[in-house]
Amino acid sequence: SQTIHQWPATLVQPVGSPLSLECTVEGTSNPNLYWYRQAAGRGLQLLFYSVGIGQISSEVPQNLSASRPQDRQFILSSKKLLLSDSGFYLCAWSVVGPSRDEQFFGPGTRLTVL
Amino acid sequence: DAKTTQPNSMESNEEEPVHLPCNHSTISGTDYIHWYRQLPSQGPEYVIHGLTSNVNNRMASLAIAEDRKSSTLILHRATLRDAAVYYCIRAFSSGSARQLTFGSGTQLTVLP
Repeated sequence: SQTIHQWPATLVQPVGSPLSLECTVEGTSNPNLYWYRQAAGRGLQLLFYSVGIGQISSEVPQNLSASRPQDRQFILSSKKLLLSDSGFYLCAWSVVGPSRDEQFFGPGTRLTVL
Repeated sequence: DAKTTQPNSMESNEEEPVHLPCNHSTISGTDYIHWYRQLPSQGPEYVIHGLTSNVNNRMASLAIAEDRKSSTLILHRATLRDAAVYYCIRAFSSGSARQLTFGSGTQLTVLP
């Protein structure tokens, strides 16, 4: 069966510090991968998605970047965090092809920037 | 711009059906309608999706209006575990990926 992991689960960082959040998927190959952010009391906002190694599409201009160094690894980074980067970060995966409709979400990372 | 409109909250009694409405009047012909639900501090969970025809699965039913400008998620018998935020989502294809545009969702409260 497929599983998706995210770490850390919670993170408190000062403004101006760097960020690295990691997401890995097991039990599937060549998945589509997604990063979302959820601000308090709001819906999810798609930040990045990837259809393959090294292929990143950005949906919203921001202080963040994403990379996919391996097939089942997706990393979200920032060189200098802003207060507005606080939120609940969720990674998701889906299969490629006709059955690509369902996205499976990880447990999320709650980031607080102080 | 989420392009879907849902009531902020709804209540239901346990064991009764629940109809969660969604308006998506600007939906394009190739956009799918997806529903996800989310419990506090968890990632969303897929519920159901459709394009034009009504859909049924083990979790719920999705009724799509003939003009596709609205849809209704139907939980046939609500349980306490169904209490969650339900998101009606416009989903469109971008290459081989499916992009989901989440709105604010409907907070469903199930009363025992």
